[in-house]
Amino acid sequence: KAGVTQTPRYLIKTRGQQVTLSCSPISGHRSVSWYQQTPGQGLQFLFEYFSETQRNKGNFPGRFSGRQFSNSRSEMNVSTLELGDSALYLCASSLDVGPNNEQFFGPGTRLTVL
Amino acid sequence: AQSVTQPDIHITVSEGASLELRCNYSYGATPYLFWYVQSPGQGLQLLLKYFSGDTLVQGIKGFEAEFKRSQSSFNLRKPSVHWSDAAEYFCAVGGASGGSYIPTFGRGTSLIVHP
Repeated sequence: KAGVTQTPRYLIKTRGQQVTLSCSPISGHRSVSWYQQTPGQGLQFLFEYFSETQRNKGNFPGRFSGRQFSNSRSEMNVSTLELGDSALYLCASSLDVGPNNEQFFGPGTRLTVL
Repeated sequence: AQSVTQPDIHITVSEGASLELRCNYSYGATPYLFWYVQSPGQGLQLLLKYFSGDTLVQGIKGFEAEFKRSQSSFNLRKPSVHWSDAAEYFCAVGGASGGSYIPTFGRGTSLIVHP
């Protein structure tokens, strides 16, 4: 079974631009979560989607948004990029919601904002 | 609010030596506790988790962790470290919110293994 895939793996943008990151979960998984990883703040939860609905959102500004499609694939969007948005963005999928469902992580998308 | 502290930023051990990575948490109720490992350029992989029951939890790759409620700790151990264990290790705590799980991660401990 293929793992979680994230595209693109690397991305360079300039301040003020917007970016869309994509995540394809493991086949059959219906929950997708997004995390931001930076040296300064560590790993932080962004949001969680299940059956095309956002179930939870972390403490991030409205510039960060996401969505999930009927095939469970998910995208996250960051508008008006800031230097501080440079990070590794990780996507994780699980069969269902709740801590009993193991999250499987993708390799991440490395975003650099210049 | 929930929080996790991993007091050691870096740990250096010799191959074959034992390992203990510390994790202290703050959570209002019985926590869900996790240990993850991240190799360079990779995502996170779950090593083990604790929800309830036996406080000594066995995980993959020969790792185990012990939940100590009185000390609010969930330390990760391995009796004999292999060079391939060199990686970043994250402890996480979380509770349920509307059936979902919102984790809080520690800042991570980087494990360096000397031959």
